[in-house]
Amino acid sequence: SYELTQPPSVSVSPGQTARITCSGDGLPKTYVYWYQQKSGQAPVLVIYEDNKRPSGIPERFSGSSSGTMATLTISGAQVEDEADYYCYSADSSGNRGVFGIGTKVSVL
Amino acid sequence: QVQLVESGGGVVQPGRSLRLSCAASGFTFSTHLIHWVRQAPGKGLEWVAVISYDGSNKYYADSVKGRFTVSRDNSKSTVYLQLNSLRAEDTAVYYCARDMRQLVLFVYGMDVWGQGTTVTVSS
Repeated sequence: SYELTQPPSVSVSPGQTARITCSGDGLPKTYVYWYQQKSGQAPVLVIYEDNKRPSGIPERFSGSSSGTMATLTISGAQVEDEADYYCYSADSSGNRGVFGIGTKVSVL
Repeated sequence: QVQLVESGGGVVQPGRSLRLSCAASGFTFSTHLIHWVRQAPGKGLEWVAVISYDGSNKYYADSVKGRFTVSRDNSKSTVYLQLNSLRAEDTAVYYCARDMRQLVLFVYGMDVWGQGTTVTVSS
């Protein structure tokens, strides 16, 4: 089955840049989406279609994708950015979704 | 405002059934695919199922295929997830989420999520 691979955790100091990677063989053919989930809350879309930012999402969040790897970048990470981040994409059939395992971002 | 509200969760014994509902408001419901995503306690997000905007196409994760059934009633702006033959590993918070594209045949990302409903499978 199709898989998306993410690092389990990333740690940064406040104001530094956090980068979260997501790799998958199908990424050259599909869009990647990134979700932020804080404890006890529903996921929130922070990047869609590889590099687009929904309204209301701070500019410090950006996305990129090249080949089989996508990256979520938090430039100047804030304490409030501490959360789990999931990448998501469609599988090769385009009929099912797949999430990465999630990356816990610590800002301290 | 655009909103999805899940209901129907609860505590159920292994092997029993449950039906979850996802009520939508604030947008043209009949033009969007709707996904179900679940999250077991302390675990990550797992995509479960999707139903096309007109209900004609349904797809499932291998882990639930043959046990779960997704359906929708566009006249009521509601999607349902029927959970049969429940197992302990189905214990999770179940979210419904709107696919961000309209009138499409394939899945894209989800832009609107409900707050989730909790299903606990335990004897």
